[in-house]
Amino acid sequence: DGGITQSPKYLFRKEGQNVTLSCEQNLNHDAMYWYRQDPGQGLRLIYYSQIVNDFQKGDIAEGYSVSREKKESFPLTVTSAQKNPTAFYLCASKRTGTNNSPLHFGNGTRLTVT
Amino acid sequence: GESVGLHLPTLSVQEGDNSIINCAYSNSASDYFIWYKQESGKGPQFIIDIRSNMDKRQGQRVTVLLNKTVKHLSLQIAATQPGDSAVYFCADRSPDNAGNMLTFGGGTRLMVKP
Repeated sequence: DGGITQSPKYLFRKEGQNVTLSCEQNLNHDAMYWYRQDPGQGLRLIYYSQIVNDFQKGDIAEGYSVSREKKESFPLTVTSAQKNPTAFYLCASKRTGTNNSPLHFGNGTRLTVT
Repeated sequence: GESVGLHLPTLSVQEGDNSIINCAYSNSASDYFIWYKQESGKGPQFIIDIRSNMDKRQGQRVTVLLNKTVKHLSLQIAATQPGDSAVYFCADRSPDNAGNMLTFGGGTRLMVKP
């Protein structure tokens, strides 16, 4: 079955450490996205990529970095510069070529930094 | 499972009743709208979408209504079941948005009483 796989489901890190969250899709989608979800808030866009080797900052990119070396993969690194990294992180992808197509989401990674 | 949102508006309905979840959007240029369902510990799941040239669209047990005059979107769930318990998000897309980004609402928690 096609879909988006995020790993791991739970991640624990000490403050000051960088951590990388994995996102892989086999939907053949060109565009991929990272969102952050905090309790009581909607989804906030961190970074997005519409094509391999290109990515753009979203609304809350500070303290995060991404790469897009392959169409299928869009890893997110949460750096020690991110002041409040504990959150639920969601990766998504969508078809391009049409404006009206929905995002497909993975099942998220819950990151806890202590 | 994780709590998606601790302080979300909550709608509580009896099993078998119909549910109506409302959403207001702010951008009059928005031309595409989506409803997502998010169960605890999972990523948002696409339910139904509607384009701005339509007022109503029906799926299996779900109907989305769009009122562009007052910038209001609603999701109706017929014969609500315990499995419908989740957080529901609306999202809209505007041609103004760079990269065809979706803007997400804060979510409504639906609780179904047996």
